[in-house]
Amino acid sequence: QKEVEQNSGPLSVPEGAIASLNCTYSDRVSQSFFWYRQYSGKSPELIMSIYSNGDKEDGRFTAQLNKASQYVSLLIRDSQPSDSATYLCAVISDSGGYQKVTFGTGTKLQVIP
Amino acid sequence: NAGVTQTPKFQVLKTGQSMTLQCAQDMNHNSMYWYRQDPGMGLRLIYYSASEGTTDKGEVPNGYNVSRLNKREFSLRLESAAPSQTSVYFCASRGILYTEAFFGQGTRLTVV
Repeated sequence: QKEVEQNSGPLSVPEGAIASLNCTYSDRVSQSFFWYRQYSGKSPELIMSIYSNGDKEDGRFTAQLNKASQYVSLLIRDSQPSDSATYLCAVISDSGGYQKVTFGTGTKLQVIP
Repeated sequence: NAGVTQTPKFQVLKTGQSMTLQCAQDMNHNSMYWYRQDPGMGLRLIYYSASEGTTDKGEVPNGYNVSRLNKREFSLRLESAAPSQTSVYFCASRGILYTEAFFGQGTRLTVV
């Protein structure tokens, strides 16, 4: 079982729709959770962080965390063609005295004009 | 504010050649990381450094060495490049506790 799992996609949504991206993780004691956006040929850039159960909203983006189900999601409202990218889920957990940062393989999102 | 700076951006090596990828951060972060990214494989950790003077192996360390020169700089060395090391390499740094990682621009390395 991979430590952080994402559906590779591509996930295709029409412009203006809600895109829903999902991530599950295996380490129950994981502490913090992040969503990165990566455009083709570019480096990952942080778009959302979430540390406690529930929802966190930032503009068109909402991150949702459910630690009991070991599940974190990202909702993108009013999707735009510029949102077309690969979205990486990242999880930080304690491991043998250091903080381990594990990434999922990413979900490719395509927003169709 | 430069953040995390990697050099070079592109490199072509012949099999057996050596090279060093440089990374520097100006955010006073303790932790620094080297990842490689291959299609369908996501970001895989090569080495990390939790603080100045310490380095540890990650998921895919074979064929690589690292040096944490000081708090700012963390270099990755390929002693004898192999075609399997063709990849995009990212350096990242993190600050305190459970905060996010910041990435450099990446190095696209091709070994022929």
